[in-house]
Amino acid sequence: EVQLVESGGDLVQPGGSLRLSCVASGFTFSNYWMTWVRQTAGKGLEWVGNINQDDTETYYVDSVKGRFTISRDNAKNLLFLQMNSLRAEDTAVYYCLRGSSGLVRLGPDYWGQGTLVTVSS
Amino acid sequence: DIQMTQSPSSVSASVGDRVTITCRANQDISNWLAWYQQKPGKAPKVLIYGASNLQSGVPSRFSGSGFGTDFTLRISSLQPEDVATYYCQQAKNFPWTFGQGTKVEIK
Repeated sequence: EVQLVESGGDLVQPGGSLRLSCVASGFTFSNYWMTWVRQTAGKGLEWVGNINQDDTETYYVDSVKGRFTISRDNAKNLLFLQMNSLRAEDTAVYYCLRGSSGLVRLGPDYWGQGTLVTVSS
Repeated sequence: DIQMTQSPSSVSASVGDRVTITCRANQDISNWLAWYQQKPGKAPKVLIYGASNLQSGVPSRFSGSGFGTDFTLRISSLQPEDVATYYCQQAKNFPWTFGQGTKVEIK
């Protein structure tokens, strides 16, 4: 059974940093694109970024470029989202998603349960 | 960025009714479209990928169609457990973008 479990969400002050983790199980992690998506109360879903299987390609939404970094540890089945220079508008539930093992355009097929990040003083 | 527009924003229907949700892209996305269902307090779940392919385990009363810019999600016979918000999402180009959601309720 595919499982994605996020952790690391917390209350952080504006300008602060946070690192989210997602541990994957039930599939060969190194074969899949991975994705982060966030959801704000009342603003729906927003794609944050993608990483390919061997960490040679990453893509980000403009609003997080230069502040967020997606990485992965295939040996430990871990996906990361390093978030720096956090802003109030980054407050959201962050989801880890399993993408495709082939064309990235096939999109994700599994979501984690999410972890809440709150940016506030 | 590709904009995705869903309609209606909410729909109320009776059990057994057919429900149709539409999603329009402001440029051609071929069939690189997914539909998600999000029940209250839960993470979204994939229903449809590639515009018309039913994700494993999803009931056959759900179906998707469309190509290019216009897409449809249909629930052939609405059930109480289908109460949720439904989102479309394009995967043609980065940044991936979502529709604003359609809330489905039971009348």
